[in-house]
Amino acid sequence: GDSVTQMEGPVTLSEEAFLTINCTYTATGYPSLFWYVQYPGEGLQLLLKATKADDKGSNKGFEATYRKETTSFHLEKGSVQVSDSAVYFCAPSAGSWGKLQFGAGTQVVVTP
Amino acid sequence: DTGVSQDPRHKITKRGQNVTFRCDPISEHNRLYWYRQTLGQGPEFLTYFQNEAQLEKSRLLSDRFSAERPKGSFSTLEIQRTEQGDSAMYLCASSHTSTGVSEKLFFGSGTQLSVL
Repeated sequence: GDSVTQMEGPVTLSEEAFLTINCTYTATGYPSLFWYVQYPGEGLQLLLKATKADDKGSNKGFEATYRKETTSFHLEKGSVQVSDSAVYFCAPSAGSWGKLQFGAGTQVVVTP
Repeated sequence: DTGVSQDPRHKITKRGQNVTFRCDPISEHNRLYWYRQTLGQGPEFLTYFQNEAQLEKSRLLSDRFSAERPKGSFSTLEIQRTEQGDSAMYLCASSHTSTGVSEKLFFGSGTQLSVL
């Protein structure tokens, strides 16, 4: 069946460091790809998305490119801030509208 | 506050009891979803509604689980004869199927269920 493999956390970084969170997936068809983020004490919220091959989603300095040939959607940010401390979830769509298959999540801790 | 709201935030119950959770989606969102999240894992899809119609149910949703959305607005999720394995965070999300905003889910803060 469909699956999502996400980099295990926690990932601990110093402020202004470069962040990469790897995500690969298996899916039937041609899914849309999403990154959701959960800040401490808050609900899940959409960070960025890409809907077709080679699309680059971006938001708040984060970027991820839809790589169909490697079925990957790695999340990157060039210079993290303490406020980026959160849990990040990779989530390909799985068939029906809004039916997302979430990875296990990667906790990111950014220290001053 | 016009976000997705869930009630209660926390629920502690004894094994074998029934529990019901409520979700109020963003007004005018025609799709509503239930997910379940256990510690250290990502959310797992349970079911979703378009308006009042329940269009898909996960195999995770055993016969003890039932969800309704009677008027296409708020939704309830009931768990009968709770088991310790039901302990989890139950998340509700909503979306609107119009161009440009479809597939963006807005999540509530969840109901944390603990079955003793």
